[in-house]
Amino acid sequence: GENVEQHPSTLSVQEGDSAVIKCTYSDSASNYFPWYKQELGKRPQLIIDIRSNVGEKKDQRIAVTLNKTAKHFSLHITETQPEDSAVYFCAASKKTSYDKVIFGPGTSLSVIP
Amino acid sequence: DAGVTQSPTHLIKTRGQQVTLRCSPISGHKSVSWYQQVLGQGPQFIFQYYEKEERGRGNFPDRFSARQFPNYSSELNVNALLLGDSALYLCASSWDRPAYEQYFGPGTRLTVT
Repeated sequence: GENVEQHPSTLSVQEGDSAVIKCTYSDSASNYFPWYKQELGKRPQLIIDIRSNVGEKKDQRIAVTLNKTAKHFSLHITETQPEDSAVYFCAASKKTSYDKVIFGPGTSLSVIP
Repeated sequence: DAGVTQSPTHLIKTRGQQVTLRCSPISGHKSVSWYQQVLGQGPQFIFQYYEKEERGRGNFPDRFSARQFPNYSSELNVNALLLGDSALYLCASSWDRPAYEQYFGPGTRLTVT
């Protein structure tokens, strides 16, 4: 069935360093890949997304890359700050007669000041 | 500009009871999806409603049901509650289809005792 895997499950970096989170998906028909940030006790917030016709997208310190052939996509955060500490979820979906968004299990990122 | 709202914020129920959770989407959004998020895991898709019709259902038992009203607000009902139903229930809305730019509400924390 549809599945999204995410690695690592936990990630600890020093402030100012870069963080990379990787995801793989199983359904080759998936064509939309959002990333969400969830701080403790708060709602998931969409931080960046990419569609299948694009290989890379960047928004300030955040970038996402997509390799459709290998069915994997990654989140890159540069110049990390303590406020980047949160759980990050990748997700995949496809536009069919109905739309189901499949989430990965999450990565807990800690940025050490 | 109001975001997605959900009520109640917290809820405590006993096994066997029934519960109704409510969601109001962002103004202009026609699609509402419901997710269950167990502590430490990613959101799991329960239902998607678009233009007041059920368009998708995840792997949840028939005890879970939902509906969408003419004003696009939605209710999630869970009958015969089990301890395992304890979770954060998230509602997400999008303008068109949830495959693109989906925004989450703050969630309802359900505890079943």
